[in-house]
Amino acid sequence: AQSVAQPEDQVNVAEGNPLTVKCTYSVSGNPYLFWYVQYPNRGLQFLLKYITGDNLVKGSYGFEAEFNKSQTSFHLKKPSALVSDSALYFCAVLTSDTGRRALTFGSGTRLQVQP
Amino acid sequence: GAGVSQTPSNKVTEKGKYVELRCDPISGHTALYWYRQSLGQGPEFLIYFQGTGAADDSGLPNDRFFAVRPEGSVSTLKIQRTERGDSAVYLCASSLRVQETQYFGPGTRLLVL
Repeated sequence: AQSVAQPEDQVNVAEGNPLTVKCTYSVSGNPYLFWYVQYPNRGLQFLLKYITGDNLVKGSYGFEAEFNKSQTSFHLKKPSALVSDSALYFCAVLTSDTGRRALTFGSGTRLQVQP
Repeated sequence: GAGVSQTPSNKVTEKGKYVELRCDPISGHTALYWYRQSLGQGPEFLIYFQGTGAADDSGLPNDRFFAVRPEGSVSTLKIQRTERGDSAVYLCASSLRVQETQYFGPGTRLLVL
């Protein structure tokens, strides 16, 4: 079985400040980890992924995420938030093991960036 | 290039009716996925196709739900005898191969009255 937890329903941050959106996961086997963003009335937009290699992954729009195997975490970060980053963010996981090939998503975190 | 497209964007139907939702994946993508997203929740897996065959349909909630992908490209999700609890956004995604990045369409918002 695989699962994802996003412990914060909402994160509030001032424009220009760094932001972190938390994600922890549970899988058997090696994890493939993803972050997606969803704007109102739109589909999910891919931000970045971790498959293997460097634990710090850089993605679209200045976002990055750090894979931490010992803490089973994959937190999303950005050094300086923009008002336009306000959206719903989803963490998702796949396992490298055979079997389940579809993504398991967290419940989402709403990011609100105040001007 | 063109992304994943889904039609219709919105569908309102009455309880007990039959509906079809269509997904057109990115050209050349062999894997196609259907998810359902209820209000305030993350997407939940329904079914995925590798080519023409349903490789995993373990997420379909019951036998009222069925999906096909006859030519290995466009897919149709079919819901019989709709219930109010089926109201949700139905998302389609495709990937070049399984376990690679999935790209999502804009979704079909289904409302069952």
